[in-house]
Amino acid sequence: QSALTQPRSVSGSPGQSVTISCTGTSSDASDYNYVSWYQQHPGEVPKLMIYDVTKRPSGVPDRFSGAMSDNTAFLAISGLQAEDEADYYCCSYAGRYTWVFGGGTKLTVL
Amino acid sequence: QVQLVQSGAEVKKPGASVKVSCKASGYTFKNYGITWVRQAPGQGLEWMGWISGYNGKTNYAQKFQGRVTVSTDRSTSTAYMELRSLTSDDTAVYYCAREDRMFADYWGQGALVTVSS
Repeated sequence: QSALTQPRSVSGSPGQSVTISCTGTSSDASDYNYVSWYQQHPGEVPKLMIYDVTKRPSGVPDRFSGAMSDNTAFLAISGLQAEDEADYYCCSYAGRYTWVFGGGTKLTVL
Repeated sequence: QVQLVQSGAEVKKPGASVKVSCKASGYTFKNYGITWVRQAPGQGLEWMGWISGYNGKTNYAQKFQGRVTVSTDRSTSTAYMELRSLTSDDTAVYYCAREDRMFADYWGQGALVTVSS
Protein backbone atom coordinates (compact mmCIF):
# COMPACT_ATOMS: atom_id res chain seq x y z
CA GLN A 1 0.00 0.00 0.00
CA SER A 2 1.38 3.48 -0.77
CA ALA A 3 1.39 6.12 1.94
CA LEU A 4 -1.52 8.50 2.21
CA THR A 5 -0.71 12.01 0.94
CA GLN A 6 -0.53 14.90 3.39
CA PRO A 7 0.84 18.42 2.96
CA ARG A 8 4.34 18.62 4.36
CA SER A 9 3.54 21.71 6.40
CA VAL A 10 0.75 24.05 7.40
CA SER A 11 0.79 27.10 9.62
CA GLY A 12 -1.53 29.47 11.39
CA SER A 13 -1.56 32.19 14.01
CA PRO A 14 -2.90 31.70 17.53
CA GLY A 15 -6.67 31.72 17.53
CA GLN A 16 -6.94 30.90 13.84
CA SER A 17 -8.13 27.65 12.27
CA VAL A 18 -6.18 25.25 10.07
CA THR A 19 -7.11 22.13 8.14
CA ILE A 20 -4.82 19.24 7.25
CA SER A 21 -5.78 16.99 4.35
CA CYS A 22 -5.06 13.32 3.88
CA THR A 23 -5.61 11.85 0.44
CA GLY A 24 -5.61 8.12 -0.26
CA THR A 25 -6.26 5.79 -3.13
CA SER A 26 -9.64 4.19 -3.68
CA SER A 27 -8.44 1.09 -1.83
CA ASP A 28 -7.59 3.08 1.26
CA ALA A 29 -9.44 5.86 3.02
CA SER A 30 -12.46 6.11 0.76
CA ASP A 31 -13.53 2.51 1.24
CA TYR A 32 -13.53 2.50 5.01
CA ASN A 33 -14.53 4.74 7.86
CA TYR A 34 -11.41 3.74 9.74
CA VAL A 35 -9.39 6.93 9.56
CA SER A 36 -7.47 8.10 12.60
CA TRP A 37 -5.22 11.06 13.31
CA TYR A 38 -2.20 11.24 15.61
CA GLN A 39 -0.34 14.17 17.09
CA GLN A 40 3.36 13.87 17.83
CA HIS A 41 5.46 16.46 19.57
CA PRO A 42 9.24 16.26 19.03
CA GLY A 43 10.75 13.42 20.98
CA GLU A 44 7.39 12.20 22.22
CA VAL A 45 5.10 9.26 21.60
CA PRO A 46 2.25 9.71 19.10
CA LYS A 47 -1.12 10.55 20.63
CA LEU A 48 -4.50 9.58 19.22
CA MET A 49 -6.56 12.67 18.38
CA ILE A 50 -9.34 11.39 16.09
CA TYR A 51 -10.64 7.91 15.26
CA ASP A 52 -13.35 6.53 12.98
CA VAL A 53 -12.99 9.70 10.85
CA THR A 54 -14.83 12.02 13.25
CA LYS A 55 -14.68 10.70 16.83
CA ARG A 56 -12.60 12.29 19.58
CA PRO A 57 -11.15 10.26 22.45
CA SER A 58 -11.92 11.60 25.88
CA GLY A 59 -9.51 14.32 26.87
CA VAL A 60 -8.95 15.64 23.36
CA PRO A 61 -10.22 19.22 23.08
CA ASP A 62 -13.23 19.81 20.87
CA ARG A 63 -11.09 22.26 18.92
CA PHE A 64 -9.97 19.17 17.02
CA SER A 65 -12.40 17.67 14.54
CA GLY A 66 -12.31 15.20 11.66
CA ALA A 67 -14.20 14.88 8.42
CA MET A 68 -14.06 13.01 5.15
CA SER A 69 -15.07 13.74 1.57
CA ASP A 70 -14.61 11.26 -1.28
CA ASN A 71 -11.11 9.84 -0.84
CA THR A 72 -9.78 12.67 1.35
CA ALA A 73 -9.87 12.91 5.12
CA PHE A 74 -9.44 16.19 6.98
CA LEU A 75 -8.26 17.21 10.44
CA ALA A 76 -9.44 20.66 11.45
CA ILE A 77 -8.01 22.56 14.39
CA SER A 78 -9.78 25.71 15.52
CA GLY A 79 -8.61 28.31 18.02
CA LEU A 80 -4.96 27.42 17.45
CA GLN A 81 -2.78 27.34 20.53
CA ALA A 82 0.98 27.22 20.87
CA GLU A 83 0.84 23.67 22.20
CA ASP A 84 -0.82 22.51 18.99
CA GLU A 85 2.49 22.92 17.20
CA ALA A 86 3.45 19.34 16.34
CA ASP A 87 3.54 16.76 13.58
CA TYR A 88 0.20 15.24 12.59
CA TYR A 89 -0.26 11.88 10.91
CA CYS A 90 -3.35 10.39 9.35
CA CYS A 91 -3.81 6.66 9.24
CA SER A 92 -6.27 4.53 7.31
CA TYR A 93 -7.29 0.92 7.40
CA ALA A 94 -6.23 -0.50 4.05
CA GLY A 95 -8.03 -3.83 4.06
CA ARG A 96 -7.02 -7.32 5.21
CA TYR A 97 -6.10 -5.95 8.63
CA THR A 98 -3.38 -3.72 7.20
CA TRP A 99 -2.94 -0.04 7.92
CA VAL A 100 -1.24 2.80 6.10
CA PHE A 101 0.00 6.13 7.45
CA GLY A 102 0.26 9.48 5.75
CA GLY A 103 3.67 11.08 5.40
CA GLY A 104 2.95 13.56 8.18
CA THR A 105 2.27 17.30 8.35
CA LYS A 106 4.26 19.75 10.43
CA LEU A 107 1.98 22.35 12.00
CA THR A 108 3.64 25.62 12.89
CA VAL A 109 1.86 28.11 15.14
CA LEU A 110 3.19 31.50 14.10
CA GLN B 1 -4.49 2.50 33.78
CA VAL B 2 -3.50 1.09 30.42
CA GLN B 3 0.25 0.80 29.99
CA LEU B 4 2.50 -0.66 27.34
CA VAL B 5 6.11 -0.99 28.46
CA GLN B 6 8.68 -1.85 25.83
CA SER B 7 12.15 -3.32 26.11
CA GLY B 8 15.19 -1.11 25.95
CA ALA B 9 17.38 0.23 23.20
CA GLU B 10 19.39 -2.21 21.11
CA VAL B 11 22.43 -1.96 18.89
CA LYS B 12 22.72 -4.61 16.20
CA LYS B 13 25.10 -5.39 13.38
CA PRO B 14 23.89 -5.62 9.78
CA GLY B 15 22.42 -9.02 9.04
CA ALA B 16 21.43 -9.66 12.65
CA SER B 17 17.94 -9.92 14.14
CA VAL B 18 16.25 -7.94 16.87
CA LYS B 19 13.31 -8.85 19.09
CA VAL B 20 11.42 -6.07 20.85
CA SER B 21 8.98 -6.84 23.65
CA CYS B 22 5.88 -4.95 24.72
CA LYS B 23 4.31 -5.79 28.08
CA ALA B 24 0.69 -4.71 28.45
CA SER B 25 -1.16 -4.01 31.67
CA GLY B 26 -4.33 -2.32 32.85
CA TYR B 27 -6.71 -4.05 30.43
CA THR B 28 -7.81 -7.51 29.28
CA PHE B 29 -5.10 -8.46 26.81
CA LYS B 30 -7.22 -10.81 24.70
CA ASN B 31 -9.82 -8.11 23.99
CA TYR B 32 -7.49 -5.96 21.88
CA GLY B 33 -4.86 -6.29 19.22
CA ILE B 34 -1.32 -4.98 19.23
CA THR B 35 0.01 -3.05 16.27
CA TRP B 36 3.65 -2.24 15.54
CA VAL B 37 4.80 1.04 14.04
CA ARG B 38 8.30 2.31 13.40
CA GLN B 39 9.81 5.73 12.88
CA ALA B 40 13.22 6.26 11.32
CA PRO B 41 15.19 9.32 12.48
CA GLY B 42 13.51 12.48 11.19
CA GLN B 43 10.95 10.46 9.27
CA GLY B 44 7.26 9.66 9.55
CA LEU B 45 5.36 6.76 11.06
CA GLU B 46 5.38 3.46 9.22
CA TRP B 47 2.97 0.63 9.97
CA MET B 48 4.62 -2.76 10.22
CA GLY B 49 2.11 -5.31 11.40
CA TRP B 50 -0.66 -6.36 13.75
CA ILE B 51 -1.55 -9.29 15.96
CA SER B 52 -4.84 -10.22 17.54
CA GLY B 53 -4.68 -10.52 21.31
CA TYR B 54 -7.53 -13.02 21.05
CA ASN B 55 -6.29 -15.68 18.67
CA GLY B 56 -2.80 -14.62 17.56
CA LYS B 57 -3.84 -13.91 13.98
CA THR B 58 -1.28 -11.68 12.29
CA ASN B 59 -1.04 -9.36 9.31
CA TYR B 60 2.01 -7.58 8.02
CA ALA B 61 2.79 -4.72 5.68
CA GLN B 62 3.93 -6.05 2.32
CA LYS B 63 7.25 -4.29 2.78
CA PHE B 64 8.10 -6.47 5.79
CA GLN B 65 6.56 -9.78 4.71
CA GLY B 66 9.01 -12.61 5.33
CA ARG B 67 11.30 -10.50 7.48
CA VAL B 68 9.11 -9.71 10.48
CA THR B 69 7.29 -11.89 12.98
CA VAL B 70 4.87 -10.60 15.57
CA SER B 71 3.85 -12.88 18.41
CA THR B 72 2.26 -12.80 21.83
CA ASP B 73 2.54 -14.60 25.13
CA ARG B 74 -0.96 -14.35 26.58
CA SER B 75 0.19 -15.76 29.92
CA THR B 76 2.28 -12.61 30.48
CA SER B 77 0.28 -10.18 28.31
CA THR B 78 3.38 -9.53 26.28
CA ALA B 79 3.74 -8.96 22.55
CA TYR B 80 6.93 -9.37 20.58
CA MET B 81 8.19 -8.08 17.26
CA GLU B 82 11.17 -9.77 15.64
CA LEU B 83 12.83 -8.22 12.60
CA ARG B 84 15.49 -10.19 10.73
CA SER B 85 18.25 -9.43 8.23
CA LEU B 86 18.73 -5.93 9.59
CA THR B 87 20.27 -3.16 7.52
CA SER B 88 21.08 0.44 8.37
CA ASP B 89 17.68 1.39 6.94
CA ASP B 90 16.08 -0.43 9.87
CA THR B 91 17.54 2.05 12.35
CA ALA B 92 14.41 3.48 13.93
CA VAL B 93 12.27 3.77 17.02
CA TYR B 94 9.88 0.84 17.16
CA TYR B 95 6.53 1.39 18.85
CA CYS B 96 3.90 -1.04 19.96
CA ALA B 97 0.37 0.25 20.43
CA ARG B 98 -2.93 -1.19 21.57
CA GLU B 99 -5.27 -1.63 18.64
CA ASP B 100 -8.97 -0.98 19.16
CA ARG B 101 -11.07 -1.31 15.99
CA MET B 102 -8.43 -0.05 13.60
CA PHE B 103 -6.91 2.72 15.65
CA ALA B 104 -4.06 2.86 18.17
CA ASP B 105 -5.25 4.32 21.44
CA TYR B 106 -2.35 3.58 23.79
CA TRP B 107 1.31 3.52 22.78
CA GLY B 108 4.45 2.11 24.28
CA GLN B 109 7.36 4.41 24.98
CA GLY B 110 9.26 3.19 21.93
CA ALA B 111 12.44 1.17 21.57
CA LEU B 112 15.37 2.56 19.60
CA VAL B 113 17.05 -0.02 17.41
CA THR B 114 20.35 1.07 15.90
CA VAL B 115 21.92 -0.99 13.13
CA SER B 116 25.58 -0.28 12.72
CA SER B 117 28.71 -2.17 11.89
